[in-house]
Amino acid sequence: DTEVTQTPKHLVMGMTNKKSLKCEQHMGHRAMYWYKQKAKKPPELMFVYSYEKLSINESVPSRFSPECPNSSLLNLHLHALQPEDSALYLCASSQAPGLAGGQENIQYFGAGTRLSVL
Amino acid sequence: AQRVTQPEKLLSVFKGAPVELKCNYSYSGSPELFWYVQYSRQRLQLLLRHISRESIKGFTADLNKGETSFHLKKPFAQEEDSAMYYCALSHYNTDKLIFGTGTRLQVFP
Repeated sequence: DTEVTQTPKHLVMGMTNKKSLKCEQHMGHRAMYWYKQKAKKPPELMFVYSYEKLSINESVPSRFSPECPNSSLLNLHLHALQPEDSALYLCASSQAPGLAGGQENIQYFGAGTRLSVL
Repeated sequence: AQRVTQPEKLLSVFKGAPVELKCNYSYSGSPELFWYVQYSRQRLQLLLRHISRESIKGFTADLNKGETSFHLKKPFAQEEDSAMYYCALSHYNTDKLIFGTGTRLQVFP
């Protein structure tokens, strides 16, 4: 299995809802990432997990709460979102955190969850 | 501040024409540079990176530290090359990837 799988593909939620995005990989990768991508814009890094520990938080509002239950799974819990949070949320993984130069730091992306906040 | 600049939002060429997608970066250390591609209705995927110095699908990119550039080139464009191309920079020895704003390449028959 060489894919990063994200569920759901689409999500519509109200501003008072609580929902979660899920990401899964079975490539043995130890770094996992959440990105936010607005229409016609590049992906923007939100969080990085290295060996199941949060290593980078790009000053993301607390209404986004990441969780890494194990080395294969990454969740993004959503609560009290705003309409401007509507975007494509991408998950990615790489083989080994913090290493440069080898195959270890190539990031593999999922297809994304398209989120609409009403 | 670290930054990746792709000056062209859209590049349109005819099939068989040469293509060059420009990428400039600003970074104080030793960066790793990548080109990622997103074909229509497909996920973002790595095309190539400077450290491997390889040609993928006929594309090449050379890191020019003097000009802080990492332009993507292909001598003869094909229709299937039509896609969104992102240049990206990784901080050395970190997991952070910074993307440029992207260039949409359209190859007409």
